[in-house]
Amino acid sequence: NAGVTQTPKFQVLKTGQSMTLQCAQDMNHNSMYWYRQDPGMGLRLIYYSASEGTTDKGEVPNGYNVSRLNKREFSLRLESAAPSQTSVYFCASSEVGRGEQYFGPGTRLTVT
Amino acid sequence: KQEVTQIPAALSVPEGENLVLNCSFTDSAIYNLQWFRQDPGKGLTSLLLIQSSQREQTSGRLNASLDKSSGRSTLYIAASQPGDSATYLCAVFNYGGSQGNLIFGKGTKLSVKP
Repeated sequence: NAGVTQTPKFQVLKTGQSMTLQCAQDMNHNSMYWYRQDPGMGLRLIYYSASEGTTDKGEVPNGYNVSRLNKREFSLRLESAAPSQTSVYFCASSEVGRGEQYFGPGTRLTVT
Repeated sequence: KQEVTQIPAALSVPEGENLVLNCSFTDSAIYNLQWFRQDPGKGLTSLLLIQSSQREQTSGRLNASLDKSSGRSTLYIAASQPGDSATYLCAVFNYGGSQGNLIFGKGTKLSVKP
């Protein structure tokens, strides 16, 4: 099993460009999450999906949109990238809400 | 608002030493607490999850304890090895509120010297 996979691993964007970060899990988990990790700020939740067809905002949702495409896939879209969105983005999944979370390897995004 | 604190921010020990990492939280109404390990440039790896009704969990050389009333958890690592060098993060889920909001501490960066 691959667990949680994320693409791409690295990305450089110019201010105003858009992109979608992809996440997939093969553990048949119901819940999926997007976090960002910044030095000195720790990990913060952007959006999560408790189950297929539902999404909810986390602590820092502004500037992002998400799509729970099916049970396996949960994508994060930046419509108009800003330098403040330079960060490392992690996707995670859990069998149920408030369950043990499993993380992907991360996407390192730089916005210039 | 739940806040999770990990002290110290960094710790350096010689190989073979037993050590304890600390995690404290301000709101004792937690659903569970999870310990993670993060290697440089990598994602998080789940180490142990303790439900609110449990006092401790063990996995190999790792033992995590939970004292909800005092708002504390500790991660005990026995006979430390250089391969244990990493950043260790604790995180809590609260009862009530959002089912997605896992609150993280900022981590303790552990260095085990050969």
